[in-house]
Amino acid sequence: DTGVSQNPRHKITKRGQNVTFRCDPISEHNRLYWYRQTLGQGPEFLTYFQNEAQLEKSRLLSDRFSAERPKGSFSTLEIQRTEQGDSAMYLCASSLTRDTEAFFGQGTRLTVV
Amino acid sequence: TQLLEQSPQFLSIQEGENLTVYCNSSSVFSSLQWYRQEPGEGPVLLVTVVTGGEVKKLKRLTFQFGDARKDSSLHITAAQPGDTGLYLCADRPRDDKIIFGKGTRLHILP
Repeated sequence: DTGVSQNPRHKITKRGQNVTFRCDPISEHNRLYWYRQTLGQGPEFLTYFQNEAQLEKSRLLSDRFSAERPKGSFSTLEIQRTEQGDSAMYLCASSLTRDTEAFFGQGTRLTVV
Repeated sequence: TQLLEQSPQFLSIQEGENLTVYCNSSSVFSSLQWYRQEPGEGPVLLVTVVTGGEVKKLKRLTFQFGDARKDSSLHITAAQPGDTGLYLCADRPRDDKIIFGKGTRLHILP
């Protein structure tokens, strides 16, 4: 197991297009988190899952954003009708339980042109 | 909503110097964490502290948690170029999301 894996690493898309990112957590990790990070800022919480259940969504997550974690394994984050303001690094993290160390992936850098 | 303020925002110092960065919370920390993030990578956990007044050391890094559990400092002795990165403080509640500060961007000049 090599850690949390995110794909793609980079994505350039035109405004108005839909994009989907994938996160593969560490095996058997029950918690999975999505964060967004813009240049010069700390990671901002988007949403998190306990197994397949989505426990919380940030107000930052507009109706253009949707996340899933089918079968409690990998997760996808989809952004519909992308806007330039969506340009950011999207980070995924997983933890074995609700209070153990969270491990972050390398992120997916999205650029909307 | 808990707010974490970190200072300074940026710090550039010469190799071999000492430095301290700070983190202040608008409310009591559940479990304070410090992360380091290098360009193009995700944050990596350095330390977790839970007890007010607690001091933890990690090689040349010393982490101090305030008695009231609302503030923390990270001191680096004899900084090296490999210490360059974004230092993030965070709150890790037991059954909730991790909340991050905006970070201190540290650059060590060789």
